[in-house]
Amino acid sequence: DADVTQTPRNRITKTGKRIMLECSQTKGHDRMYWYRQDPGLGLRLIYYSFDVKDINKGEISDGYSVSRQAQAKFSLSLESAIPNQTALYFCATSDTPGAGGIEPQHFGDGTRLSIL
Amino acid sequence: AQKVTQAQTEISVVEKEDVTLDCVYETRDTTYYLFWYKQPPSGELVFLIRRNSFDEQNEISGRYSWNFQKSTSSFNFTITASQVVDSAVYFCALSEAGTGGFKTIFGAGTRLFVKA
Repeated sequence: DADVTQTPRNRITKTGKRIMLECSQTKGHDRMYWYRQDPGLGLRLIYYSFDVKDINKGEISDGYSVSRQAQAKFSLSLESAIPNQTALYFCATSDTPGAGGIEPQHFGDGTRLSIL
Repeated sequence: AQKVTQAQTEISVVEKEDVTLDCVYETRDTTYYLFWYKQPPSGELVFLIRRNSFDEQNEISGRYSWNFQKSTSSFNFTITASQVVDSAVYFCALSEAGTGGFKTIFGAGTRLFVKA
């Protein structure tokens, strides 16, 4: 089983609909992140969470919200989807920095979201 | 401000050729971490390497090698004797210790095609 699981893997929906993307992890990491990937732009951070009660905006949080239901679960919501939110979305986790410094991120397989 | 530039959008090589993927970064922090990730056609992101700003030793892992030069703010990635399975998008990323490591900036990626 994957360490970081995203559901659904693909979703097609209409403008104005509310959508939730879910992420769960078995790595035991405290830190979780949501990114979107657009062609030619790399990955951009939407939200991140360092703990169950900790939620922080990333560089492109407008139009999105998140919920950290438990250490292992981090959901991303689009309250009213619009076509320019069509993208590939990734959830990631990382361990708290230790003696080796900042830890690498571990990614789910991605959710391909299309908004018509 | 943090910035990661991968000037090569796409590279195409023939199998067994060597290829170097360039990564240039900008940061004001003295302590930072550089990463490379691979995204094969299946879509997932796979961590390849982490390097901190105090360790300029080059690293070799099988056919992969990385050249870190602080003087030119570069962290280049070379694949020796490329194989078709190396075809993927490769991302270079930067995390500054001063931000607690939450903000990882990704380059736009370089798509590598290895032809048989």
